[in-house]
Amino acid sequence: GESVGLHLPTLSVQEGDNSIINCAYSNSASDYFIWYKQESGKGPQFIIDIRSNMDKRQGQRVTVLLNKTVKHLSLQIAATQPGDSAVYFCAENIWGQAGTALIFGKGTTLSVSS
Amino acid sequence: DAGVTQSPTHLIKTRGQQVTLRCSPKSGHDTVSWYQQALGQGPQFIFQYYEEEERQRGNFPDRFSGHQFPNYSSELNVNALLLGDSALYLCASSFWASGNLYEQYFGPGTRLTVT
Repeated sequence: GESVGLHLPTLSVQEGDNSIINCAYSNSASDYFIWYKQESGKGPQFIIDIRSNMDKRQGQRVTVLLNKTVKHLSLQIAATQPGDSAVYFCAENIWGQAGTALIFGKGTTLSVSS
Repeated sequence: DAGVTQSPTHLIKTRGQQVTLRCSPKSGHDTVSWYQQALGQGPQFIFQYYEEEERQRGNFPDRFSGHQFPNYSSELNVNALLLGDSALYLCASSFWASGNLYEQYFGPGTRLTVT
């Protein structure tokens, strides 16, 4: 079946560096994407979302880029902090007959060292 | 303003038993979706409820059922528990506007262990 995947299972950066987490999706009909951060033992935390009619969206220290041509999504975190250490998932919203579902990849573990 | 809440936090059941998990959506949200997350994996979609009806269902057997109440809260029921049902069960709430679904905030989850 179709799924959303991440390019790298782990990413290690130094505090203050910029981090880029990548994601490839396969469903060209997907119109909504969300990035989540999940810390150990907790539920996924909503970071930022983007709809398919946009290429870029910025939040506080985070930017999401969407390239529909190559079906690629990325999350950029500026000035990465130790508190950013977590597993990051991208999720793709797909439509069914009467509702929707988020399809998640396996996640990228971000480790930030100080 | 409380976010998405779930109860209980942890639960231990025996194979063959039945379990009910509960979820209260974020204020202003009218849609609840349930997900199962095995250790080291991403969440897997179980089903979505809106206007007290199941609107979308993932690839889960009929042992998994749910309900949404008029106040938008929801329950997930699992019958005839198997060892493989051990997982973190997540509830996500969202709202519809202009034909689009917005947000999808997750609760802290219920950790179910089947022995």
